[in-house]
Amino acid sequence: QIMLTQQAESLWISPGERVSITCRASQSLLYTDGKHYLSWYQQRPGQTTKALIYHASVRTDGVPTRFIGSGSGTEFTLSIEHVQPEDFAIYYCLQTLKSPYTFGAGTKLELK
Amino acid sequence: QVQLKESGPGLVQPSQTLSLTCTVSGFSLTSNSVHWVRQPPGKGLEWMGGIWGDGSTDYNSALKSRLSISRDTSKSQVFLKMNSLQTDDTAIYFCTLHLILWGQGVMVTVSS
Repeated sequence: QIMLTQQAESLWISPGERVSITCRASQSLLYTDGKHYLSWYQQRPGQTTKALIYHASVRTDGVPTRFIGSGSGTEFTLSIEHVQPEDFAIYYCLQTLKSPYTFGAGTKLELK
Repeated sequence: QVQLKESGPGLVQPSQTLSLTCTVSGFSLTSNSVHWVRQPPGKGLEWMGGIWGDGSTDYNSALKSRLSISRDTSKSQVFLKMNSLQTDDTAIYFCTLHLILWGQGVMVTVSS
């Protein structure tokens, strides 16, 4: 199965800063349709899990433009510009290229 | 408005079978996929399996021998059944539309 590695378990930042969360796949997530099957999710206590990004760089409806997905092949990044108080949460990447779909272990954004 | 709501027993005895229901609204099961994802307390996310619009299913190979996903389109419900439960099956169980829109989840504890 495809393994996803989110090396940082936690990242400490201050509101207003920019942060990048990385996700590395054990094989390329590029499909023959030219799209990368990598998504990003946010989990906050008491809230439903929120899909932020799909196909590596496409924001889902309603997601603020400060959330930016990038990357290709096996290396992907979720960047958050001007971090807001509500962005302190846990972020997961997910690959849906091959079954079984697999998640990264998660990166927790913490207040510095 | 698209909604998904999980329901089921909060407590299951070891070796017994778990039965969960995901009741959906705002979309058709015959045109969309619904997946089950679980999360042990304080841990990460695990994709369990999904059922596609044409009724086909796919399961995580780690759970395949114990897991069944089905649906009743007339009732807008998707079902999860997993047998031979053990304590490490204790988790929050989520259903999700296309892995984009998620339910709140239902906590299931496996204990005698």
